[in-house]
Amino acid sequence: SYVLTQPPSVSVAPGQTARITCGGNNIGRNSVHWYQQKPGQAPVLVVYDDSDRPSGIPERFSGSHSGNTATLTISRVEAGDEADYYCQVWETTSDHPVFGGGTELTVL
Amino acid sequence: QVQLMQSGAEVKKPGASVKVSCRTSGYTFTSYYIHWVRQAPGQGLEWMGMIYPSSGTTNYAQTFQGRVTMTRDTSTSTVFMELSSLRYEDTAVYYCARTVERATPIDYWGQGTLVTVSS
Repeated sequence: SYVLTQPPSVSVAPGQTARITCGGNNIGRNSVHWYQQKPGQAPVLVVYDDSDRPSGIPERFSGSHSGNTATLTISRVEAGDEADYYCQVWETTSDHPVFGGGTELTVL
Repeated sequence: QVQLMQSGAEVKKPGASVKVSCRTSGYTFTSYYIHWVRQAPGQGLEWMGMIYPSSGTTNYAQTFQGRVTMTRDTSTSTVFMELSSLRYEDTAVYYCARTVERATPIDYWGQGTLVTVSS
């Protein structure tokens, strides 16, 4: 089955830029979605279709992909961005969504 | 506003079954897919399956085939997820979630239901 690989953790100082990667074979063929999950809460969609933002999500959140890697970029990181982040694609072979393992973002 | 309200926490013994409900409101129930995603303690998100309320058509993850059943009640705009033959490793928070189409992103999530499997 299709596997999405994320780094377990990323650390960044406030005001800096955080980049969270999501690796998958030919991931560029798929639309990649990103979710933010804070402790004890349900996930929230922060980027969809590679680089679009739902209403209410700050412009600081952006997405891109190149080759076999998709990237969620958070600019001017704030303490409130500390959370787990998950990438997700739809696997057409098995016709179901696949999630990455998640990345814990720590704001130093 | 769109809401997905799930039933409360459950404690079950190994081998038992659990049925979790997801009552929806604020949109046309039959026009959106409902998915179930679970999260074991300290772990990531795991997709279990989905149902299209209009037709009742389901698609289950292979991992749960034979153990999970998803149904809906259109009169109350509610979706149900039943998991049988519970094991300790089924202890998790279970979320219902909505998509516009099968392969579109999840735009709304329920609050989650903790299911604890314990003897």
